[in-house]
Amino acid sequence: DTGVSQNPRHKITKRGQNVTFRCDPISEHNRLYWYRQTLGQGPEFLTYFQNEAQLEKSRLLSDRFSAERPKGSFSTLEIQRTEQGDSAMYLCASGWDSPLHFGNGTRLTVT
Amino acid sequence: GQQLNQSPQSMFIQEGEDVSMNCTSSSIFNTWLWYKQDPGEGPVLLIALYKAGELTSNGRLTAQFGITRKDSFLNISASIPSDVGIYFCAGSEYGNKLVFGAGTILRVKS
Repeated sequence: DTGVSQNPRHKITKRGQNVTFRCDPISEHNRLYWYRQTLGQGPEFLTYFQNEAQLEKSRLLSDRFSAERPKGSFSTLEIQRTEQGDSAMYLCASGWDSPLHFGNGTRLTVT
Repeated sequence: GQQLNQSPQSMFIQEGEDVSMNCTSSSIFNTWLWYKQDPGEGPVLLIALYKAGELTSNGRLTAQFGITRKDSFLNISASIPSDVGIYFCAGSEYGNKLVFGAGTILRVKS
């Protein structure tokens, strides 16, 4: 069990660029979650997958955001046309039902 | 929507003191979880509670799932310096997505 792995750990991008993050969950977990965390706040739910099916998306997930989990293993989160307000820590978690185990996140800075 | 109120927002501890923090919800939850987050890292699960009234310990940590299913508390006994960090409560209605509180920052008194 190597834990939940997220790459990259940090990403600095210019406004308007597209970015993609990757999450490798704990292999036996069927559920994978994406959360966003800003300074001084708790994580906010974005979306989750059960195996390869995306079961729920938060209203926080605008049309510029898309997440995939093509084979029910790793997942990617893409943000198109980034805005300064997208700057945050993006956390991935996995579990059997609740998101029990979190990765160390990808910190996105949009300049 | 669901909201969690976590208190206190921050507290100072001296080594050896007991610490208590709690969370209340506007909704009924079926799962309560407590996490600790250190700077630059993801939250780490401390205790998971799945039944109303449940009292669970993990070393010096004890957490309870309130009978009304709308609250939970976390106690840390005999605190040590490495207890500093941010503690989050989180609740789930259907055992899937979690709603998080805003966190309790634990600092060491100098």
